[in-house]
Formats: sequence, structure tokens, C-alpha cells
Amino acid sequence: DAGVTQSPTHLIKTRGQHVTLRCSPISGHKSVSWYQQVLGQGPQFIFQYYEKEERGRGNFPDRFSARQFPNYSSELNVNALLLGDSALYLCASSLDRPGTIYTDTQYFGPGTRLTVL
Amino acid sequence: AQKITQTQPGMFVQEKEAVTLDCTYDTSDPSYGLFWYKQPSSGEMIFLIYQGSYDQQNATEGRYSLNFQKARKSANLVISASQLGDSAMYFCAMREAPTGKSTFGDGTTLTVKP
Repeated sequence: DAGVTQSPTHLIKTRGQHVTLRCSPISGHKSVSWYQQVLGQGPQFIFQYYEKEERGRGNFPDRFSARQFPNYSSELNVNALLLGDSALYLCASSLDRPGTIYTDTQYFGPGTRLTVL
Repeated sequence: AQKITQTQPGMFVQEKEAVTLDCTYDTSDPSYGLFWYKQPSSGEMIFLIYQGSYDQQNATEGRYSLNFQKARKSANLVISASQLGDSAMYFCAMREAPTGKSTFGDGTTLTVKP
């Protein structure tokens, strides 16, 4: 089975622009999470979607938004890009069986490396 | 709020020896999962091993084992018989129940010497 896929792999934008990152989960996984990883740090949680509903949101400004589609793929949108948005954006998918969310492994995609100039 | 602490920014180990990577956590939730991931220089986060808060036995997966001490809130990763390919960044993470959010530590860079 295919793993989590993300596109594009690399992206260069300028300040003030908008960007859309895409993620396809592992087949059968209904949950998608987005993380931002700045160089030298661990990933920081941005959003989680389950069955097309937002389940959780991290401490990120409203410039960050996301959605999940009926096929469980997801998009992360970032408006009005800042230099500080330069990072590796990771998407993770998980089964998230009801009642045992914390036990289910999140499997990560290869990431999208965003550079804001 | 949940917190993960990895106190070893960098570790060195000789090939074929064992190494322990430290992880302590803080949470008030009785239900949580602890995970270790490996991140090579390519950037992809690779799942290694999982331990649930209610598990009585320490988890093992091949050369990886998790030394889980619940009272001390520690979940150290032990890699036995280190290989050159084990050189990477290692992250400890905790997953919480309501949102499914994972909280990560800042990682430990492991270098395996030949």
C-alpha cells in the first residue's frame, strides 16, 4: 500500500503570497494532521481533521487554514506569507479508531519544504 | 499542557554498541500514547515504536525497545547493536486523547561511529 503522499516537495514563495499544500493519507485512514517543523526543532501541531471535521487546532494565526475532502485528502493553506513561515510542513495520517485515538500511530509523509523569500 | 523533554541534543555511539536516548514527559491526562520517530537528513519522519499509558510491559520492535517508567514519567528509547544507518535525528512524541494532537520534543541527533 502507498504511504502518505504530499505535494509539492519543494516550494519557493515571496512574502505576502499565498500557498496551498496537499496531502493524501494512507488508504483507510480517516484522520489527517498537519505539522510545521522549523529547522532544529520538533514538529509543531497545526491542525487535525477527522471525517472532514476539524478536531484540533494548534497555536497558529488565522492565516493558516485547512480542509479535508470526502476522499480524506487534505489541503493546508497559508495566506500573507511571512519569512518565519519557512519550514518543513509535514502531513500525518492515522486510523483514529473511536475511543483509542491516543494509541493510533501517525504515519508521516515526506513533507513539503517551503521557503519564503 | 503536555510537554516532552529530550535533554540530549547530540549523542555518539560506536557501531554494534547499544545506546539509550532519553525522554521525559508531562501530562495530567491518564490516557496517552508515547511514540518514537526517526528523521534522517531526507526529512521524512519514520515511526519506530509505541507505548500506551496502560501497557504493563515495555514495548519492543526488533532492535528498538522502550524503557517505560510511568512513575518517573520517562520513556527512553534503547537501540541495540547500532548500525551506521541509525545516524539520524530521533524524536519522542506524546499523543493525547481528545484531539489526537501529538506533542514532540526537540529531538536528539544520534551519530554512529564506525
